[in-house]
Amino acid sequence: SQKIEQNSEALNIQEGKTATLTCNYTNYSPAYLQWYRQDPGRGPVFLLLIRENEKEKRKERLKVTFDTTLKQSLFHITASQPADSATYLCALGGYSSASKIIFGSGTRLSIRP
Amino acid sequence: DTAVSQTPKYLVTQMGNDKSIKCEQNLGHDTMYWYKQDSKKFLKIMFSYNNKELIINETVPNRFSPKSPDKAHLNLHINSLELGDSAVYFCASSLTGRDTGELFFGEGSRLTVL
Repeated sequence: SQKIEQNSEALNIQEGKTATLTCNYTNYSPAYLQWYRQDPGRGPVFLLLIRENEKEKRKERLKVTFDTTLKQSLFHITASQPADSATYLCALGGYSSASKIIFGSGTRLSIRP
Repeated sequence: DTAVSQTPKYLVTQMGNDKSIKCEQNLGHDTMYWYKQDSKKFLKIMFSYNNKELIINETVPNRFSPKSPDKAHLNLHINSLELGDSAVYFCASSLTGRDTGELFFGEGSRLTVL
């Protein structure tokens, strides 16, 4: 069955460093991969999408890579700030509008001052 | 100007009761979803409707029945509630053909079954 794993439940890093989160998947050939941010008590908020034929995407301090051979995406936050502390979810989507978007269980990122 | 709104935000009820959660979106989207997030934060899709038509129906007990009166609304009715139904239920919407395929989520409805 399809499976998405995010490397760790929690990640703690020092402010100013680069945070790197990992998303691995099996038994799936996604058309695209998305990253969402979820704050406590709130719904997930979309951050970035990367398609299967793209290697890298950037948006301000965020960078996402996608390796369909390794079946892995890396999500980087450069110059991290305490305000970046949240849970980050990766999600995979298929080719048709009827394809479900499936989520990983998330990584809780804490940036300490 | 809430984009995706769900009510109620909190719901505490006894086992065996029936309850409903309502969802409305004002984004003009044509697809709506119900996701369940358990205590381990795992977000699992339950149902999806496109223009009022059910297109995704995961392995969900028959006690859960979604209803979409129009493409801006998707409600979830749960019969004979069980302890295991306790979770946060998220409604989401998207626009078919939108380049990013992004989902817009509501704030969630936390259901506690006692």
